[in-house]
Amino acid sequence: GAVVSQHPSRVICKSGTSVKIECRSLDFQATTMFWYRQFPKKSLMLMATSNEGSKATYEQGVEKDKFLINHASLTLSTLTVTSAHPEDSSFYICSATAVAGAQETQYFGPGTRLLVL
Amino acid sequence: GENVEQHPSTLSVQEGDSAVIKCTYSDSASNYFPWYKQELGKRPQLIIDIRSNVGEKKDQRIAVTLNKTAKHFSLHITETQPEDSAVYFCAALGGTGGFKTIFGAGTRLFVKA
Repeated sequence: GAVVSQHPSRVICKSGTSVKIECRSLDFQATTMFWYRQFPKKSLMLMATSNEGSKATYEQGVEKDKFLINHASLTLSTLTVTSAHPEDSSFYICSATAVAGAQETQYFGPGTRLLVL
Repeated sequence: GENVEQHPSTLSVQEGDSAVIKCTYSDSASNYFPWYKQELGKRPQLIIDIRSNVGEKKDQRIAVTLNKTAKHFSLHITETQPEDSAVYFCAALGGTGGFKTIFGAGTRLFVKA
């Protein structure tokens, strides 16, 4: 099946710094990618929809100025957590939509574990 | 927007028994219902999915049923094994939210040997 990668797999940063997470579709083009956040023992919560060549669409309650999303190409979306704080520590997962014929399937990246000290 | 509810939150079964997890969704336009298995610290893995034009799908020990009228779908795992122990998420998409995948809260399945 299709492959989605994320980088880095884990990152530790100091409070107040910014962290960039990359999501790549390796063998297919994705006009739409999604970013999720998952806290321990919780479900995946959709943060935003990343659209190639246009602004991201954020879910209610997600600060767009804090979680900057850039989808500059059909294979790459980036999520930047600006001025990170300990409460931003979480597991961030992206997904990309692959279209085969008339069907779409979501493929998930391996996730990025962020720890803000 | 879409809202997905999942029950139970925790399920403990004896090895060899069956496990059933149920989900309901709110957006009648949703047309794709995947099920994911997630092990600790890993990405969700798609285990089975069903589209709205069928009522049931089976893949070896795993089956999913869909009732569009009632807007609910279920995952059935037969002959459970200890390695089935994980967190399972149902999801719905394809409705007014397009490709956005809305997840249920998850079910932690324990299979006791």
